[in-house]
Amino acid sequence: AQTVTQSQPEMSVQEAETVTLSCTYDTSENNYYLFWYKQPPSRQMILVIRQEAYKQQNATENRFSVNFQKAAKSFSLKISDSQLGDTAMYFCAFMKATNAGKSTFGDGTTLTVKP
Amino acid sequence: EPEVTQTPSHQVTQMGQEVILRCVPISNHLYFYWYRQILGQKVEFLVSFYNNEISEKSEIFDDQFSVERPDGSNFTLKIRSTKLEDSAMYFCASIPRVAGVQETQYFGPGTRLLVL
Repeated sequence: AQTVTQSQPEMSVQEAETVTLSCTYDTSENNYYLFWYKQPPSRQMILVIRQEAYKQQNATENRFSVNFQKAAKSFSLKISDSQLGDTAMYFCAFMKATNAGKSTFGDGTTLTVKP
Repeated sequence: EPEVTQTPSHQVTQMGQEVILRCVPISNHLYFYWYRQILGQKVEFLVSFYNNEISEKSEIFDDQFSVERPDGSNFTLKIRSTKLEDSAMYFCASIPRVAGVQETQYFGPGTRLLVL
């Protein structure tokens, strides 16, 4: 079974600064996907960024980028130029690359961006 | 952009009552999922559904739960006799299938269920 660990329950950052959220996972699978989801107070799950395990290049989406270390099973999210609207809970998730693979989520990190 | 929709957005029910949560996945998607999130906790997998049958279910998904796709578009989660601990946000998700490789799970906005 897969496990996902987010070791930072809460983090804060000043507006316009950079913050990194940590995520580690444990799996025996070789092919899988990793995701970061943002959950604002509305509790909707919003996809921030995805990474395919077979790709060595780290994914980037505008101000969001990841540091994917497959051997270390680490998948951190870097938010650059933090904005007040980035304040939310962030979940790291793992999904096997099989036809019916489910997602396994970490406990989440609450990020507060301070003005 | 196509999106997963869920109804109702909020549901309040009495303990012991049956509830049906509805989802309309994205039209060309083939795999469907239900997850739940108790307030302040992580998102937990309940069940996956493909080709009109359950592919996988978690320990949470006991005999009180059932899923079906009655008309080719809706995907429903039924809780037969709700308990207080069923109070949670319930998310529907779906995945397309491209050349046998999974894509991203697209989540609906959730249904907030409160059991009194």
